[in-house]
Amino acid sequence: GQNIDQPTEMTATEGAIVQINCTYQTSGFNGLFWYQQHAGEAPTFLSYNVLDGLEEKGRFSSFLSRSKGYSYLLLKELQMKDSASYLCAVRGADSWGKLQFGAGTQVVVTP
Amino acid sequence: DGGITQSPKYLFRKEGQNVTLSCEQNLNHDAMYWYRQDPGQGLRLIYYSQIVNDFQKGDIAEGYSVSREKKESFPLTVTSAQKNPTAFYLCASSSTDNQPQHFGDGTRLSIL
Repeated sequence: GQNIDQPTEMTATEGAIVQINCTYQTSGFNGLFWYQQHAGEAPTFLSYNVLDGLEEKGRFSSFLSRSKGYSYLLLKELQMKDSASYLCAVRGADSWGKLQFGAGTQVVVTP
Repeated sequence: DGGITQSPKYLFRKEGQNVTLSCEQNLNHDAMYWYRQDPGQGLRLIYYSQIVNDFQKGDIAEGYSVSREKKESFPLTVTSAQKNPTAFYLCASSSTDNQPQHFGDGTRLSIL
């Protein structure tokens, strides 16, 4: 089985930086995904890490350490539209395509 | 435009009734998935299908059934055996196991 933990909620100010941590315990590992989900909407894909290190994509970056079972999503220059839930999802080595999702971190951006 | 279409957006079920949620994709993806999302919780996998005419149970398959007669379509039936069906249902698809899953806009199911 897999266990994925991320904080329930984080609050930050517009223009600031927020780091959302995700820790996981899995029976094998074949990639970690981050999704953004606005209230009442479908999740949208943000980033994918399968090797250790940092992946940068504009204002969003994602980091992975497989030995520590740890990832983070970094949101820079926060904008009001970044207020959303951020979901960490892990694919195990024995499950083709299947993802196990964390409960999500609600990010609240204040003016 | 390519994408995943779920219908209806809102659905109401009476007790003892089966209801079917539609999911269609024109992305030519092999794999399709159904998830359930409850308030404040992550997505939980109900069923998934890797190829036509084949599907597997996910973590919470009891009370649900699916079919995959065409590559483009993966309908989900919520049966009367599912005693707590009120949730947000999301359909997703992906091309290969290294590609991200793309989601439809979801169907919100409630009990009358």
